[in-house]
Amino acid sequence: NAGVTQTPKFRVLKTGQSMTLLCAQDMNHEYMYWYRQDPGMGLRLIHYSVGEGTTAKGEVPDGYNVSRLKKQNFLLGLESAAPSQTSVYFCASSYNGQGSYYGYTFGSGTRLTVV
Amino acid sequence: AQTVTQSQPEMSVQEAETVTLSCTYDTSESDYYLFWYKQPPSRQMILVIRQEAYKQQNATENRFSVNFQKAAKSFSLKISDSQLGDAAMYFCAYRSSTNTGNQFYFGTGTSLTVIP
Repeated sequence: NAGVTQTPKFRVLKTGQSMTLLCAQDMNHEYMYWYRQDPGMGLRLIHYSVGEGTTAKGEVPDGYNVSRLKKQNFLLGLESAAPSQTSVYFCASSYNGQGSYYGYTFGSGTRLTVV
Repeated sequence: AQTVTQSQPEMSVQEAETVTLSCTYDTSESDYYLFWYKQPPSRQMILVIRQEAYKQQNATENRFSVNFQKAAKSFSLKISDSQLGDAAMYFCAYRSSTNTGNQFYFGTGTSLTVIP
C-alpha cells in the first residue's frame, strides 16, 4: 500500500524553467491537494481538486497550474519558475469530506530550489 | 478563511517529562474538526490526534492528549512521558465540516526539542 507518492523528491531549477510535480495516490481518494511549506509560514494551500477533471484555487495559486485528468493523479506545474517558488511541496489526499473527519494522507514532499 | 495560530515557534522538554503545545483558531462555524500533525526530520507528515468540535470529551491517543476549549477556541496538545522520537515540528490544523473542498488550514508550527 503505497499511499501518496510524489515525484521527484528533489529538484533544482533555473529561473524561467518549467517543470511538473507528480502526485499519485492508490487509496481511491476523491480529494487531492497541493501545499507549499516555507519556514515560519506553515503549509499553505496552492490548488486542490474535489474529483477527476476538477481543480480549484487555494490560498497561493499564482505561478502554478494543476491538472487532474485521472482520479489517482494530481499534477502541479510551474510554467516559469521564480526564486520565490523555492519551497517544499506536499501533496495530500483525503476521502470526500462533508461530515467526515478523516485527516489527510500526505506524500513525503518535494524540495524545489529555484536559482 | 479560518486562521490557526501557534504562538510558540520553539519548545523544549526533558525526556520523560510533559510538555504542552498551544494552538488557537478563529472561526465562526460551530461544527469543525481539529488535528495535530507531527513532522519529523524525515519531512513526512504524521497524524497525531484529532478532535471533533461537537464532542466535549478531549481526544487521547496513548501519550498524546488534547485540551479542547471550544468557547476559547483553543486546542492544545499535551505530550506525556516525552521520548526522543517525539522531537519534531508539530502543526495544528483546522478543517471545516461544511466546506466542499475539505481544505485544512495549518498553523505555522512549533518545533519541539527533547533533551536527553
